[in-house]
Amino acid sequence: GDSVTQMEGPVTLSEEAFLTINCTYTATGYPSLFWYVQYPGEGLQLLLKATKADDKGSNKGFEATYRKETTSFHLEKGSVQVSDSAVYFCAHHGSGNTGKLIFGQGTTLQVKP
Amino acid sequence: KAGVTQTPRYLIKTRGQQVTLSCSPISGHRSVSWYQQTPGQGLQFLFEYFSETQRNKGNFPGRFSGRQFSNSRSEMNVSTLELGDSALYLCASSSRKETQYFGPGTRLLVL
Repeated sequence: GDSVTQMEGPVTLSEEAFLTINCTYTATGYPSLFWYVQYPGEGLQLLLKATKADDKGSNKGFEATYRKETTSFHLEKGSVQVSDSAVYFCAHHGSGNTGKLIFGQGTTLQVKP
Repeated sequence: KAGVTQTPRYLIKTRGQQVTLSCSPISGHRSVSWYQQTPGQGLQFLFEYFSETQRNKGNFPGRFSGRQFSNSRSEMNVSTLELGDSALYLCASSSRKETQYFGPGTRLLVL
């Protein structure tokens, strides 16, 4: 069935380090892919998205490329800041691009000064 | 444009009670989805409404129900609350099946 698998956290980095959070998915077809971020005590904020294969989503220095060959959508940032500390969720709409989002389990990122 | 709003932000109930949560979508969005977030189960889809009709439903018991009004505002109701219903309930709105934008959530504690 449809699923999303993220690397387990927590991920602890020093400020200005390079970030990669791995995400792989299973689905029939090519659903839109998303990264959401959740800060403590808040809801989810859309970070970036990609709607078709080889698309690159980007926002606030974060990037992710839709790789259909490896069914992956890894999140990267070249230089993290303390303010990037949050929980990151990878998600897709499911087979047939339904209105139901399927989420990974979330990866907690902690950035230390 | 104003974002998705949810009320109330926090609730404390006791077992056996019922609760109603409200969600106002972004202006112009006709689709509203609800999710439950818990530390153990993560983010789980509850249901989706579009133009006052339930379009999708997740794997939750019948105690969980929802509805959508003609102005696209949505409510979800949980009857006969159980301790395990303690969670953050998130509402998201979208224009048809496009990107979902989330509200701040309602944190429900069942004692």
